[in-house]
Amino acid sequence: GESVGLHLPTLSVQEGDNSIINCAYSNSASDYFIWYKQESGKGPQFIIDIRSNMDKRQGQRVTVLLNKTVKHLSLQIAATQPGDSAVYFCAENGVTSGTYKYIFGTGTRLKVLA
Amino acid sequence: EPEVTQTPSHQVTQMGQEVILRCVPISNHLYFYWYRQILGQKVEFLVSFYNNEISEKSEIFDDQFSVERPDGSNFTLKIRSTKLEDSAMYFCASSEGILAGGLADTQYFGPGTRLTVL
Repeated sequence: GESVGLHLPTLSVQEGDNSIINCAYSNSASDYFIWYKQESGKGPQFIIDIRSNMDKRQGQRVTVLLNKTVKHLSLQIAATQPGDSAVYFCAENGVTSGTYKYIFGTGTRLKVLA
Repeated sequence: EPEVTQTPSHQVTQMGQEVILRCVPISNHLYFYWYRQILGQKVEFLVSFYNNEISEKSEIFDDQFSVERPDGSNFTLKIRSTKLEDSAMYFCASSEGILAGGLADTQYFGPGTRLTVL
């Protein structure tokens, strides 16, 4: 359901551990998915993206997995660092009649414990 | 590294006043967007703009809102008569274009303008 934001799901991980952040997207016709990181008071910062013709994509310390069958997206962060603490949003491109707007998920707050 | 910039970082206004939020998209980008984020909530799409016209807008983007690209670098969002519920972070974003086959391109976001309506 709709999150009121102040009650964002929170993931707490120890520094050095791997983090997995999950996202359920809404539109089975969406063909482009992006993970953004948002630090307090800042704009969304692009992390990694994936197209619907792929099920996995790797970046530097990050991996995105896409499961179209269950409309699920995940972001894996290897060796989580204190600087990874932020809110993470998934976004999907609403591919309907040529629209290019992004539809954002609720967000997950990642807390890295020293 | 090129980035989207926005001014001001914080705007305080009285209800009923007009505000203009300014953005400088990344220079070779052709598509421009405004989103907003009410405190602690989801980022919501407002409008997209291409070739000097609105290409899409959301239900939020009513007659009180307008966008303009007054010159080759700026992209503005105007709210004619602000309401209390317009208080939010407003993010500008830009993308280079649309990829072959109509595929969406990555949108890059600015740091946002915090609008506070009193």
